[in-house]
Amino acid sequence: DGGITQSPKYLFRKEGQNVTLSCEQNLNHDAMYWYRQDPGQGLRLIYYSQIVNDFQKGDIAEGYSVSREKKESFPLTVTSAQKNPTAFYLCASSGPEYEQYFGPGTRLTVT
Amino acid sequence: AQSVTQPDIHITVSEGASLELRCNYSYGATPYLFWYVQSPGQGLQLLLKYFSGDTLVQGIKGFEAEFKRSQSSFNLRKPSVHWSDAAEYFCGNDNFGNEKLTFGTGTRLTIIP
Repeated sequence: DGGITQSPKYLFRKEGQNVTLSCEQNLNHDAMYWYRQDPGQGLRLIYYSQIVNDFQKGDIAEGYSVSREKKESFPLTVTSAQKNPTAFYLCASSGPEYEQYFGPGTRLTVT
Repeated sequence: AQSVTQPDIHITVSEGASLELRCNYSYGATPYLFWYVQSPGQGLQLLLKYFSGDTLVQGIKGFEAEFKRSQSSFNLRKPSVHWSDAAEYFCGNDNFGNEKLTFGTGTRLTIIP
C-alpha cells in the first residue's frame, strides 16, 4: 500500500533534549512537508522540501531542523531551542495535482 | 499574503440534516482549493479538490463543494450527514500551484442523534 508513515505515534521527552520525528513516503512524490498543529490554530508549516537535498523554511521554522537526503524520507528534529515543542506534528507529501497526502501524525510531549 | 478563512469554529447538526461548511480565500487569480477531514488524533484525509472547470466538484463520502469566484468562496456541502461525519474539517488553498498550502483554522462538526 502506498502512503506516508510517521513514527512513533507518541513521543515523550525531557526539556532540553533534541528529538527527531520520522517521516517516510513510498508515493514517489518530490515534495514533502512538516506541519505543527495546536488546538484552535489549524496547521502551520514548519519546513518543506520540493526536491532531494533542498528545503525551505515555512512560517514557524525557528527551533526546528530538517534534512532531505533521500526522496522517501524527510525527518524533522525538534531542538532544545524550540520554546514550546509540545504539539501534534504532521508530515505530508504532494501529489501531481498539488494535493497533499498526510501521515497519521506524531504527538510530542515535552516536560 | 494569501489567507483562508473558515468563519465557523464549531457547527452542530442533527443526523440526517444537510450541512454546509464555509470557506473564504483571499488573493489569487488561480486558486487551487481543497477540503480535508481529520478525525481526532489522526492525519488529514483529502475530501475533494478544485483547480478549474466545473465549479461544482464531487468528493468522497458524499461531499461536494462549489467554487464561487465572485464571493471568493469554496463551501463544502453534504445533503444528509451521518454520525461518522463528526470530525474537524479544513479548507486549504495552494495559490498559483506553488505547492504550498495555506489552511484555515478548521471547523469542528458535531452530529447529534
